[in-house]
Amino acid sequence: SAVISQKPSRDICQRGTSLTIQCQVDSQVTMMFWYRQQPGQSLTLIATANQGSEATYESGFVIDKFPISRPNLTFSTLTVSNMSPEDSSIYLCSAQTGGTEAFFGQGTRLTVV
Amino acid sequence: GEDVEQSLFLSVREGDSSVINCTYTDSSSTYLYWYKQEPGAGLQLLTYIFSNMDMKQDQRLTVLLNKKDKHLSLRIADTQTGDSAIYFCAEPPMDTGRRALTFGSGTRLQVQP
Repeated sequence: SAVISQKPSRDICQRGTSLTIQCQVDSQVTMMFWYRQQPGQSLTLIATANQGSEATYESGFVIDKFPISRPNLTFSTLTVSNMSPEDSSIYLCSAQTGGTEAFFGQGTRLTVV
Repeated sequence: GEDVEQSLFLSVREGDSSVINCTYTDSSSTYLYWYKQEPGAGLQLLTYIFSNMDMKQDQRLTVLLNKKDKHLSLRIADTQTGDSAIYFCAEPPMDTGRRALTFGSGTRLQVQP
């Protein structure tokens, strides 16, 4: 199993600013992912964070808006850039080890005003 | 494509059994998962079932898998108020180029005292 620490747990931000969310795993993991969960909705995959290379983005998500870093096998960041109220959501970091079982951080609840 | 479907809401009385249903699309899935999300929290892996099994029991939880109908269910016996949460079923990706799980829409379980 893996324990994931995600921070901040919540934030209220002004529109036009950027927020960087950090995700730290207590062990080396093969894959890390970033999801968005809008109010009352399921999880939507934003991107796969690739160690040492550019993230792989899902349709509808672009690097300029959601830059992602993954400098090593235990850490990743997601930045939400030039925020608007439509970006208000819960952002979740997830990690998978050798199998397909996924572990999640506690999430970051973002409100953009 | 992948489409995992769930009913959106279930209300039960404390002490009753809860049954949460899920239909999935990928018949080649090796594992199927149930996750629980409590208010303000990330997702917690509740249980999983391997595709060569029809049933798995873990304390108050029973998972039933009908591969012919691609139907998965989670039964919670003696439901408690602490079981109130959103429950997501999830399956591994069909596309081997993508590793992230596909989640259902989530079923909100409300337990009435």
